Amino acid sequence: DVKVTQSSRYLVKRTGEKVFLECVQDMDHENMFWYRQDPGLGLRLIYFSYDVKMKEKGDIPEGYSVSREKKERFSLILESASTNQTSMYLCASSFLWDKTNGYTFGSGTRLTVV
Amino acid sequence: SQQGEEDPQALSIQEGENATMNCSYKTSINNLQWYRQNSGRGLVHLILIRSNEREKHSGRLRVTLDTSKKSSSLLITASRAADTASYFCATTVRGGAQKLVFGQGTRLTINP
Repeated sequence: DVKVTQSSRYLVKRTGEKVFLECVQDMDHENMFWYRQDPGLGLRLIYFSYDVKMKEKGDIPEGYSVSREKKERFSLILESASTNQTSMYLCASSFLWDKTNGYTFGSGTRLTVV
Repeated sequence: SQQGEEDPQALSIQEGENATMNCSYKTSINNLQWYRQNSGRGLVHLILIRSNEREKHSGRLRVTLDTSKKSSSLLITASRAADTASYFCATTVRGGAQKLVFGQGTRLTINP
């Protein structure tokens, strides 16, 4: 069964900590994405990548960075976690647009920064 | 930035009835997609309709696309309690990067 796996379902971190959220896909997808989802704000794109070592900023990249060293893995990094980064984080992957048949999402990581 | 806007924001119907959700968007698109999200979980892809298509079916789902009105609708026929979820439309923008832009979603509740 093809899937996108996020390393943690729930995570609690302290303010100022460096936080790594890991995402792995086994579908050989070129594209990978990180979204955050907040009540009343919907899903907002943080960063995405269409190839190894390539990355592009989404709508809300401030306070985040990403790493894609291998095609199957896309990491989201919170350099210094703050309470306003408490959110549900969703990873997704897809083929390039001309082959795509939709995104596959992971189950999400609910991050709480205290 | 939000591209799609769903209407209504919330919908409550009886099991067995049909549910219709609408989505409007602002710019020219490559395709429009519908997703379902059960509470606290990731999103599940339901159906994709390309800009040159007008209607698509998948099981109990029917999606229409009207590019002249920049709108789409999702119809779920013969609803079941398991259809209770939030439904999102999302678009990829023509000529833009390959990112999906989501609407705020419709919260659908099916009452037994």
